[in-house]
Parts: sequence; structure tokens; C-alpha cells
Amino acid sequence: DAGVIQSPRHEVTEMGQEVTLRCKPISGHDYLFWYRQTMMRGLELLIYFNNNVPIDDSGMPEDRFSAKMPNASFSTLKIQPSEPRDSAVYFCASSGGMAYGYTFGSGTRLTVV
Amino acid sequence: SQQGEEDPQALSIQEGENATMNCSYKTSINNLQWYRQNSGRGLVHLILIRSNEREKHSGRLRVTLDTSKKSSSLLITASRAADTASYFCATDEDTDKLIFGTGTRLQVFP
Repeated sequence: DAGVIQSPRHEVTEMGQEVTLRCKPISGHDYLFWYRQTMMRGLELLIYFNNNVPIDDSGMPEDRFSAKMPNASFSTLKIQPSEPRDSAVYFCASSGGMAYGYTFGSGTRLTVV
Repeated sequence: SQQGEEDPQALSIQEGENATMNCSYKTSINNLQWYRQNSGRGLVHLILIRSNEREKHSGRLRVTLDTSKKSSSLLITASRAADTASYFCATDEDTDKLIFGTGTRLQVFP
């Protein structure tokens, strides 16, 4: 297995533009998580899915953020419109359940100018 | 929100020395996990310890858990320069999600 695959690795966009981050979890993992990492706030859980269903989106900072998981092998995190304070590294992780650890992707470094 | 707080925030040691990092958390848990993050990379799962376990080993790693004190420690023995990374504890707060701590930055000098 190639692990959790995120794209793009780097994204630079102008304020106000729409940004879409993509994630392919490990096949067979029922859980998918989106985290954001910044120096100031550390690792924050944004939203997670179980069997493609959003379970907890309480970490999504604003209505500008949305996430979908149309099938077991794909998820997106969208920011519209983007703002400079959204600049961060966004990680996707998947897991087979809470008795197991998470497998993280390499992250998407987002810079909004 | 952050459940775990690691201590120290940063640690510098020489190769061959042992490194100990501590984690404190606030709520009841099912399990506690430790992760490593190399600069510019994703997090890598190191070890999971369940709430009914007190100690667990994996190679040069030793993790302890004290649920009465809501604390855990990660010991890396005979450290190597390649162990240089940030280390995070994470707890599940009796839910399906992991909340990560603030991390300890470990620097191992050759």
C-alpha cells in the first residue's frame, strides 16, 4: 500500500480564491481525519469521517471550510474564500479504528497571500 | 482544543544518551498514543498503550501510563542522531478521535 496520499504537496494561492485539498486514505480504513498544523495552534482536528459519514466537524473553523467524502477512497477539504490566516500544513490521516494508530499523509502546505 | 501537554517543550542530548518526554492529559481515555514527526513530514505512529496497561516496549522505546495521574512518559534509550524529531502524545478522550498535545522537540547531537 502506498500509504495515505495527499495532493497537492504545496499550494500557493491569493486571498479570496478557492482551495481544494485532496486525500486518498489507505484501503480498508474506516476512519478519515483532517488536521491542520500551525506553529501557534499546533495540531488541530478539523473533521473526521467514519464509513464516509462526517461524525464530528466541530473543529472546522468557519463556514468557509467544507469537507466531503464521496466514497471510501477519496476525500476533499475545501476553503472558499481563502484568507491569509488559513496558511498552514493540512494533514489527512486514516485509521482502521481506535484500537489502532493513525497513518498520516505527507501533508499539504498551504500559503495564502 | 489540545488534550495533552508535553514536557519539556525542547530537549537536546548527545548520541547514546536516553531521552525522556512526558505527557499530561485531562480527561478519561481508552488509549494513549505517541507519534514522531520529522521536519516537513507527516506524523508517524510509534506506539499505543491502552488505559489498562502500565508499560509497553517497542525496540528502543518504552512507554508508561499512569491513569491516576493522567500522565504518560516516552523513553528513548541509546538515542541516535536519526531520532531528532518532534514527538507528540495523543489521547482519544473516550471517543473515536485523537487529540494531540503540543509536542517535544528532540535534538540528538552526534
